[in-house]
Amino acid sequence: GAVVSQHPSWVICKSGTSVKIECRSLDFQATTMFWYRQFPKQSLMLMATSNEGSKATYEQGVEKDKFLINHASLTLSTLTVTSAHPEDSSFYICSARDIQGKGYTFGSGTRLTVV
Amino acid sequence: AQSVTQLGSHVSVSEGALVLLRCNYSSSVPPYLFWYVQYPNQGLQLLLKYTSAATLVKGINGFEAEFKKSETSFHLTKPSAHMSDAAEYFCALTTGTASKLTFGTGTRLQVTL
Repeated sequence: GAVVSQHPSWVICKSGTSVKIECRSLDFQATTMFWYRQFPKQSLMLMATSNEGSKATYEQGVEKDKFLINHASLTLSTLTVTSAHPEDSSFYICSARDIQGKGYTFGSGTRLTVV
Repeated sequence: AQSVTQLGSHVSVSEGALVLLRCNYSSSVPPYLFWYVQYPNQGLQLLLKYTSAATLVKGINGFEAEFKKSETSFHLTKPSAHMSDAAEYFCALTTGTASKLTFGTGTRLQVTL
């Protein structure tokens, strides 16, 4: 079945630094990838939608300059949290939709802790 | 606008008992509906999906869900709960091949001995 690899699974960084999270579709081509943020015991909040080769579409209230998304190929999307602060600490999850539009496959998530 | 409502943020059942997790939706166009399971500190795993074919959808791990248009519901059931079913369950909706998923707030399933 479709597999999405997300790395790192957890990361601790100092306040003010940047962190990059990668999301790769391993056995299929993903024209669209989604990035979510999940707070403890809450549902997933869509941050942005990225399409290969074009700029990401951000949801209302999400700072595009803080959460940089790149979708340079059909198998890789990255989320960079720039100048991270403790309030950015959260669980980030990516999801990929295949070219055939058959479904959404989720990565295993990244636990970001900013200290 | 589309929305998903999951009734009951927390459901507790005994091992071997019926599992029923409720999901109601609102959509102005025919929806595609999904149930996902999430274990702690992990991503989401697809349990099953409805894509306008059969209204009774069978998924993995013995779960199934029935699409009822008249009730705008897509409840998730499993005849006999197992301890390993304890997790967070999310119902989600999309309305087309290019659309994002809209998630419900999730239901935490607890399975007791």
